[in-house]
Amino acid sequence: YDLAQPPSVSVSPGQTASITCTGHKLGDKYVSWFQQKPGQSPVLVTYQDSKRPSGIPERFSGSNSGNTGTLTISGAQPMDEADYYCQAWDNSVVIFGGGTKLTVL
Amino acid sequence: QVQLQESGSRLVKPSQTLSLTCAVSGGSISTGGHSWNWIRQPPGKGLEWIGYVYHNGGTFYNPSLESRVTISIDRSKNQFSLNLTSVTAADTGVYFCASTGVYGGNSVFDNWGQGILVTVSS
Repeated sequence: YDLAQPPSVSVSPGQTASITCTGHKLGDKYVSWFQQKPGQSPVLVTYQDSKRPSGIPERFSGSNSGNTGTLTISGAQPMDEADYYCQAWDNSVVIFGGGTKLTVL
Repeated sequence: QVQLQESGSRLVKPSQTLSLTCAVSGGSISTGGHSWNWIRQPPGKGLEWIGYVYHNGGTFYNPSLESRVTISIDRSKNQFSLNLTSVTAADTGVYFCASTGVYGGNSVFDNWGQGILVTVSS
C-alpha cells in the first residue's frame, strides 16, 4: 500500500496551503500528519483525519475522503516551513507518504 | 508524558549488526494499548517504518526489512531494542524510536525520540 504526496508546495505568508496524500480508498482509513523541521523529530499536527493535538495552532486542519487526505494550513506562517508527512495504517502495517516540502515565501 | 531516548552504536561496519535501544521514561512499557516502534530516515529522504513491538512481546515488521529485523522488549529495564543484521550503506540514516497511544480506538504516533544518526561504513 502506497501513499503519494507532492514533493513540494509553495505558499505566500498569510495564504492557505494544501498538501495532499493519495492512496487507494484512503478515506476508509484514518490519516495522521506530521511536521518535521531540519534536524528535529517529527511532530504530530493532526490525527484521525481532522483532530488536532493540544498545542497545535488552529490554522492546521485535516480532512480525508475518497482516495485523498489533505492537510490545510490556513494563513501560513514562515515558521510553518517544513517537511510534512502523511501516515496511515494498512492492516497492522505503518505506511508513510514520501513527504512534502512546504516553502513559505 | 512519555519520553523516549535512543542509544547505541553510531558507526557500524558493512555486513555487521546494527543495535539500538530506546529507553522509556514517564510511563511503563508494560502498559497495554501502546506499540513501541522504530522508524528511520536516510539522509535527505523520507520516513521509513521498520517495525514495532507490543507490551506483550508481539511484533510486526516492514515486509521489506522483515528478514533482517528483530525488535524486542525488556520490561525490567523499561526499554525496547532494534537489531538489524547484514547492514549496508543503504542502512545509514537517523533512527527514531516512537510510541503510539490509543485515540478513539485508533493508534496514533504521539511520542518520538530525538533520533540517533547511524552510519554504516568500514
